[in-house]
Amino acid sequence: AQKITQTQPGMFVQEKEAVTLDCTYDTSDPSYGLFWYKQPSSGEMIFLIYQGSYDQQNATEGRYSLNFQKARKSANLVISASQLGDSAMYFCAMREGPGFNKFYFGSGTKLNVKP
Amino acid sequence: DAMVIQNPRYQVTQFGKPVTLSCSQTLNHNVMYWYQQKSSQAPKLLFHYYDKDFNNEADTPDNFQSRRPNTSFCFLDIRSPGLGDAAMYLCATSRDLPASYNEQFFGPGTRLTVL
Repeated sequence: AQKITQTQPGMFVQEKEAVTLDCTYDTSDPSYGLFWYKQPSSGEMIFLIYQGSYDQQNATEGRYSLNFQKARKSANLVISASQLGDSAMYFCAMREGPGFNKFYFGSGTKLNVKP
Repeated sequence: DAMVIQNPRYQVTQFGKPVTLSCSQTLNHNVMYWYQQKSSQAPKLLFHYYDKDFNNEADTPDNFQSRRPNTSFCFLDIRSPGLGDAAMYLCATSRDLPASYNEQFFGPGTRLTVL
């Protein structure tokens, strides 16, 4: 079974609007971390936001927020007030035990922000 | 600034000619990772080091080897590159284990072309 599933290969959003990128995960470990990364066309992976499995509140970082629904095993990224510079690939990833060494990545969502 | 550096950014090699990609970090992180990423796909973990402890992924071809002479440096050796090895190679680091909240810090990647 896939550890991380991103079902939206591509998304379009109008500049200044909000957009939600979907991510579901599969783990039986009670302790895990969920991450979102942005990858512009230049190739570098940029860390955006983190959510821990024991965190009671949804994570927020500036215009990014994570809609964490533990029972549904989903960790959707919400970008508010989209900007042209948000156009990129977005990857959801999970780190789980034992040892927390390994990160599992989803297949990514290509976001295009339209002016 | 503390960072992960990869050299070269672009590498061209010939079919079957050994090539070495390098990664260095000033973050003093114990864990270093090598990923292969093909176009529009998720990064695929090849192997990782925790200190000098090498962890190979089961499906990483023998053609790929790695060395970590010290905390700061890690090398990816491709012994006989094939056309299918053309990809972006990403190096990443993360802090001491165990902690699910430790995100990975990525370098800018090396784009490998095989002629």
